[in-house]
Amino acid sequence: QVQLQESGPGLVKPSETLSLTCTVSGGSMRGGAYYWTWIRQPAGKGLEWIGRVYTSGRTSYKPSLTSRVTISLDKSNNQFSLRLMSVTAADTATYFCARAELREDAFRIWGQGTTVTVSS
Amino acid sequence: DIQVTQSPPSLSASVGDRVTITCQASQDINNYLNWYQQKPGNSPKLVIFDASNLETGVPSRFSGSGSGTHFTFTISSLQPEDIATYYCQHYDSVPYSFGQGTKLEIK
Repeated sequence: QVQLQESGPGLVKPSETLSLTCTVSGGSMRGGAYYWTWIRQPAGKGLEWIGRVYTSGRTSYKPSLTSRVTISLDKSNNQFSLRLMSVTAADTATYFCARAELREDAFRIWGQGTTVTVSS
Repeated sequence: DIQVTQSPPSLSASVGDRVTITCQASQDINNYLNWYQQKPGNSPKLVIFDASNLETGVPSRFSGSGSGTHFTFTISSLQPEDIATYYCQHYDSVPYSFGQGTKLEIK
């Protein structure tokens, strides 16, 4: 059974770069056709789709974040990552990684989420 | 970008009640809509995919319907364990987006 686990710093200073990793266990990222996705949720608020990387490495991002975000695959380590540059307090949120299949595009598998606070 | 507008933002109902949540898309999204349940402190859980398909293991009191721009999510007989926030999510084209959420409470 595939599981996802986010990891990374819980505190990031304003203007710096937020870097998170999602580790995939119970299955290899080399097989299948999946969208590996990052979603965030400010405390007490709704869900925001940040972007995704496909099995091939092709990426798609939310337009308002495109200039600051990079999502990448590391199949050799069964991980994918999120980098968000020039963070502000508005980037404070719980960040989830999730997986969707190409043929049934729904987030069936989620990580437990990791909370990132942007503060000096 | 396609927006999905969910209503109501909150809902209070009694055990056994029929509960309905709606989601309106800003343009035709066919049936490219999913519904999720999120309990406090947990990750969201897929409940309905492709607008009307019940995810494996989800009780049959949950259902979804609609296509195009108007969608509904229904719990036929509310149970205490259904207390959560529910979100719709479109996947017609990137960027995907979620509805604002409906917080369901027991009256």
